[in-house]
Amino acid sequence: GAVVSQHPSWVICKSGTSVKIECRSLDFQATTMFWYRQFPKQSLMLMATSNEGSKATYEQGVEKDKFLINHASLTLSTLTVTSAHPEDSSFYICSARVELGQFSYEQYFGPGTRLTVT
Amino acid sequence: QKEVEQNSGPLSVPEGAIASLNCTYSDRGSQSFFWYRQYSGKSPELIMFIYSNGDKEDGRFTAQLNKASQYVSLLIRDSQPSDSATYLCAVRQAYGQNFVFGPGTRLSVLP
Repeated sequence: GAVVSQHPSWVICKSGTSVKIECRSLDFQATTMFWYRQFPKQSLMLMATSNEGSKATYEQGVEKDKFLINHASLTLSTLTVTSAHPEDSSFYICSARVELGQFSYEQYFGPGTRLTVT
Repeated sequence: QKEVEQNSGPLSVPEGAIASLNCTYSDRGSQSFFWYRQYSGKSPELIMFIYSNGDKEDGRFTAQLNKASQYVSLLIRDSQPSDSATYLCAVRQAYGQNFVFGPGTRLSVLP
């Protein structure tokens, strides 16, 4: 399957600071990437859909000014958690859409980034 | 009403048995169905997808789809302890739309 990488794999930051997480598609171009958040023992929660060259589409309840998403190229999307607080501590996972042909695509996940805000 | 539902489990099966994981969805127009496996602390990995009614087999895994009943399942034959994970069902309503994930079923295969 397609390879999606994330960096860093884990990060610890102090409350009030900002953290940037990178998501890269390594062997394909991804016009659409997704950002999910997952709290312990809970399911994936879609935060936003990132389209290359345009503004991200945020899900209801997700603060777009706090979670800044930039999809500047076909292989890179970034999520910046601004003014992080302990309640932002979570497992952040990006995903990329892989086009398989007309009307067919799959979705592959990056390895995730574990964020801990102290 | 949740769009994609799964029994949260845990579902416990003995090693070598068949594990049956079920998923129901609410949108009758859904077209594509996916099963992901997620180990604790890791991100989901795609196991199988199915688009048409019936069964689709891949090694020890079989996906079953019944659109009339709005039901998709995953069977794991000869279950191994390494199959112990959370299995996520994902549904896509139509081309261009996002996947909708179920809450996942935690499977425990006992040696």
